[in-house]
Amino acid sequence: RKEVEQDPGPFNVPEGATVAFNCTYSNSASQSFFWYRQDCRKEPKLLMSVYSSGNEDGRFTAQLNRASQYISLLIRDSKLSDSATYLCVALGGNQAGTALIFGKGTTLSVSS
Amino acid sequence: DGGITQSPKYLFRKEGQNVTLSCEQNLNHDAMYWYRQDPGQGLRLIYYSQIVNDFQKGDIAEGYSVSREKKESFPLTVTSAQKNPTAFYLCASSPTGWGEQFFGPGTRLTVL
Repeated sequence: RKEVEQDPGPFNVPEGATVAFNCTYSNSASQSFFWYRQDCRKEPKLLMSVYSSGNEDGRFTAQLNRASQYISLLIRDSKLSDSATYLCVALGGNQAGTALIFGKGTTLSVSS
Repeated sequence: DGGITQSPKYLFRKEGQNVTLSCEQNLNHDAMYWYRQDPGQGLRLIYYSQIVNDFQKGDIAEGYSVSREKKESFPLTVTSAQKNPTAFYLCASSPTGWGEQFFGPGTRLTVL
């Protein structure tokens, strides 16, 4: 079974902290990877795409290691508004090859 | 405004009844998807469609049916054959089916 596994969490950090989430995927054929953010009882929203060796967007940095089938998300200078569940997602791996495979998510709580 | 809309936001159904969830997008996306999310679980793929008049089963299609008569619309019917239909249903679309997906606000279905 093609799966995406994430740190179970929850992560409880103070404002200003740096926090890292880890994720592994089982299907070596997966081509694209994403981090989505999901607030309580809301739909997932795309946070970052991770296409090659990684990329950075402001306080957020995503890294991809294809050899180890490992993805990470680093959040620097955490804000209260960063509190949410972060979903690690791989494209492909099911019978279609086009649908997203979601991890169960890691919950982040940032406190003042 | 471009986007994905789902209706209704909340839906209550009696056991034994079929119910149809609406999903509409005006993003001109080719691909559309239906996912189900249960508490503490990742999203699971129900059905997907990469082009009008064509759709494929996902990982948990039993008890569900879909149609794709128009590019903009991808309704999901939850039939009485679905044994545990209470869940959060999310519709998504993608420009090509091989990249990021964008989600509607979801429909929360409760079977009474």
